[in-house]
Amino acid sequence: DQQVKQNSPSLSVQEGRISILNCDYTNSMFDYFLWYKKYPAEGPTFLISISSIKDKNEDGRFTVFLNKSAKHLSLHIVPSQPGDSAVYFCAASHGSSNTGKLIFGQGTTLQVKP
Amino acid sequence: KAGVTQTPRYLIKTRGQQVTLSCSPISGHRSVSWYQQTPGQGLQFLFEYFSETQRNKGNFPGRFSGRQFSNSRSEMNVSTLELGDSALYLCASSSPAAVETFGSGTRLTVV
Repeated sequence: DQQVKQNSPSLSVQEGRISILNCDYTNSMFDYFLWYKKYPAEGPTFLISISSIKDKNEDGRFTVFLNKSAKHLSLHIVPSQPGDSAVYFCAASHGSSNTGKLIFGQGTTLQVKP
Repeated sequence: KAGVTQTPRYLIKTRGQQVTLSCSPISGHRSVSWYQQTPGQGLQFLFEYFSETQRNKGNFPGRFSGRQFSNSRSEMNVSTLELGDSALYLCASSSPAAVETFGSGTRLTVV
């Protein structure tokens, strides 16, 4: 039962272009969503989050969009940089932002080419 | 401010053995969660501890257990290890004011 899905295992973009990573969820009880970035041999690093009461949250080059009716969220990175190359995980929780139980997607490997 | 510290970083165990992994959360964080990452299953939630009590539990067999101490440090234990337990085990801590912050993980290899 995969409640959070990232259907694209990988994505390749040119430096300077936009990277769009997608995530779908099935549980309508989820009310808080997060994106993490992960490099090999390191733990995931928090990037950006969004509450279900919003449809957009922006932080520098990173913007997360939430479409509750479609149960879909996306992460936009503009402009993409080679250092952004990593595995990106979306995660969801319900109840509060810090229940300590995150449901993760399978991850999308982003490669940004110079 | 020190991050989440996990020890050891790498571990090799034999099938049937047991293992204990340790996690020191960020100072002031009282919630500690554990996740297992495998190539096939991604990141899966194991359990969460808050104030020395297990608050949430994932869908793992009873061979996986944990505990939390009064200083919020946490340990997880896996008994009767199986080859399929080989994974990266990640610990994360959080507080009402901070989202989950992860440690670098413990890479467990079962041979």
